[in-house]
Amino acid sequence: EDQVTQSPEALRLQEGESSSLNCSYTVSGLRGLFWYRQDPGKGPEFLFTLYSAGEEKEKERLKATLTKKESFLHITAPKPEDSATYLCAVQAGQGSSNTGKLIFGQGTTLQVKP
Amino acid sequence: DAGITQSPRHKVTETGTPVTLRCHQTENHRYMYWYRQDPGHGLRLIHYSYGVKDTDKGEVSDGYSVSRSKTEDFLLTLESATSSQTSVYFCAISRPNYGYTFGSGTRLTVV
Repeated sequence: EDQVTQSPEALRLQEGESSSLNCSYTVSGLRGLFWYRQDPGKGPEFLFTLYSAGEEKEKERLKATLTKKESFLHITAPKPEDSATYLCAVQAGQGSSNTGKLIFGQGTTLQVKP
Repeated sequence: DAGITQSPRHKVTETGTPVTLRCHQTENHRYMYWYRQDPGHGLRLIHYSYGVKDTDKGEVSDGYSVSRSKTEDFLLTLESATSSQTSVYFCAISRPNYGYTFGSGTRLTVV
């Protein structure tokens, strides 16, 4: 069964204290791994897509990496405005079948204190 | 960005009543999805559509039905609302390389 697990569930950091969020997955054929940010009362907002092991993407203080079993979202010198829930999702499937369905982890809620 | 709007944003309804949530997109995306988000469960797929009148079930489809008579509109109906369907409902469209673009959500409370 395809599964996505995120850890930790919650993370509290001081401003400037770097850390990493983990997303481990088991899928039958990875088509893509996605990171989203969700603010309270809003829909998830796209951050990154990773397709193959060894791939890395960066945006401001965020960097996403991918291995064959997990992905990390590294947050360097975070600011209070980085406080949000970060969601990981995978798109699975093999061959020509692609419904676009995503399987989501439960998210990591990050709080950055000034 | 693809325009995707959900209506209503908030709704309170009574147990046993039917409820319809609407998702509207302004671009011609083929795939559309309905998810629900609950504490401890994350986002779970209810139904999805891969074209006009083409829909399929997700992992939590019991008690829900969908319809897509036009490319731009995807409707989610709770046939007889129950308290377990109190949740935040998100509609999404699939965009190449972006995974999903989500609507702002509908907060539904069943009393």
